[in-house]
Amino acid sequence: QPVLTQPPSSSASPGESARLTCTLPSDINVGRYNIYWYQQKPGSPPRFLLYYYSDSDKGQGSGVPSRFSGSKDASANTGILLISGLQSEDEADYYCMIWPSNAGVFGGGTKLTVL
Amino acid sequence: EVQLVESGGGLVQPGRSLRLSCSASGFTFDDYAMHWVRQAPGKGLEWVSGISWNSGSIGYADSLKGRFTISRDNAKNSLYLQMNSLRTEDTALYYCAKGTTVTTVAGGPDYWGQGTLVTVSS
Repeated sequence: QPVLTQPPSSSASPGESARLTCTLPSDINVGRYNIYWYQQKPGSPPRFLLYYYSDSDKGQGSGVPSRFSGSKDASANTGILLISGLQSEDEADYYCMIWPSNAGVFGGGTKLTVL
Repeated sequence: EVQLVESGGGLVQPGRSLRLSCSASGFTFDDYAMHWVRQAPGKGLEWVSGISWNSGSIGYADSLKGRFTISRDNAKNSLYLQMNSLRTEDTALYYCAKGTTVTTVAGGPDYWGQGTLVTVSS
């Protein structure tokens, strides 16, 4: 199964934006897949944030604020989670996921620190 | 309110078997695919297996090499994971998760249970 690459850590200050990336291997075209994003806080199960395929095909998880949004950078073969107006409660681990076949694949996760 | 409650975890010796269960409520169970996802202590998420609404489509992580079997009983609103030939590396918190698709497995889950801990150790 393919490896999705996420930076192990990222940080930003309250009120700023955080841009978390999920890079697909070169033999998998990011343009062909839904990118799912999850947030996990210590001691809690993951929370579905959103999925992004295109600007016309995307979906937000129940109760997820609109300051969480998704996009893609085709040139970098990367899915992106953008969190605007960072709040201290956004400090968590974030995972991306794709379905290149009938099996799901998670990225290794990014720990986001809100300074 | 969607609720997923896992059970069946515990301490088991290497090579033995264990069956996990997940009881679902708050949604029409047979309208959705279901998944198992695990998380080893201090590690990231690993998708284990998924099953479509009528069990017609099933998927497994390659790493399992046929040791695990997923099933569901729509009459009981329940999901199961039969785990055989358990290894120490199977030690993890196992989450039951509701899918977002119906006839296929390929789609990220949107609701998760609290998980049941499986510890494989002699």
